[in-house]
Amino acid sequence: DGGITQSPKYLFRKEGQNVTLSCEQNLNHDAMYWYRQDPGQGLRLIYYSQIVNDFQKGDIAEGYSVSREKKESFPLTVTSAQKNPTAFYLCASSTNQGSDEQFFGPGTRLTVL
Amino acid sequence: KQEVTQIPAALSVPEGENLVLNCSFTDSAIYNLQWFRQDPGKGLTSLLLIQSSQREQTSGRLNASLDKSSGRSTLYIAASQPGDSATYLCAVVNSGGSNYKLTFGKGTLLTVNP
Repeated sequence: DGGITQSPKYLFRKEGQNVTLSCEQNLNHDAMYWYRQDPGQGLRLIYYSQIVNDFQKGDIAEGYSVSREKKESFPLTVTSAQKNPTAFYLCASSTNQGSDEQFFGPGTRLTVL
Repeated sequence: KQEVTQIPAALSVPEGENLVLNCSFTDSAIYNLQWFRQDPGKGLTSLLLIQSSQREQTSGRLNASLDKSSGRSTLYIAASQPGDSATYLCAVVNSGGSNYKLTFGKGTLLTVNP
């Protein structure tokens, strides 16, 4: 089945810890995105990558880091510098055509203990 | 800066009713507009994609329209069912930018009562 997988589904972080969220896609898409969703707010873009070995900051990149070593994978690290990391994190992918559809993974819920 | 607004924020209807969800956006320079469905604790499921050159798209009981010049879209759901209960999100991709990020509204929480 083609699609986007995210793991883990739930993640708990202690203060001062870095944690990494996984995102994998087998849709052969060049572009991948990380969004954050908070209650009562729309989704906001954290980072995006339009091609392997390249990525750009989105609207709320502070306290996050990413890598794009493979086309299929776009992991997100939530660092200890992110002061309010509790949220629902969604990964998406698309072709590099602005007119094309974006597809989303099932999400990871991160909670700070 | 693109802003997307969805009205109403919440809607409760009896089963079988036809309903309309509204979405407006401030910058009409878009590539496309997507409607998504989100169930509690789940990811987003794409419902309909309307290209900037199109006026509407249909899928089953769903029909989405786009009036780009006025910055408006509507999602029409015919003969609503309890299984339609979810949050519906509208999002646009701006043209002329350096990436194809989606700008989202805050969603409409729909409850269809049996």
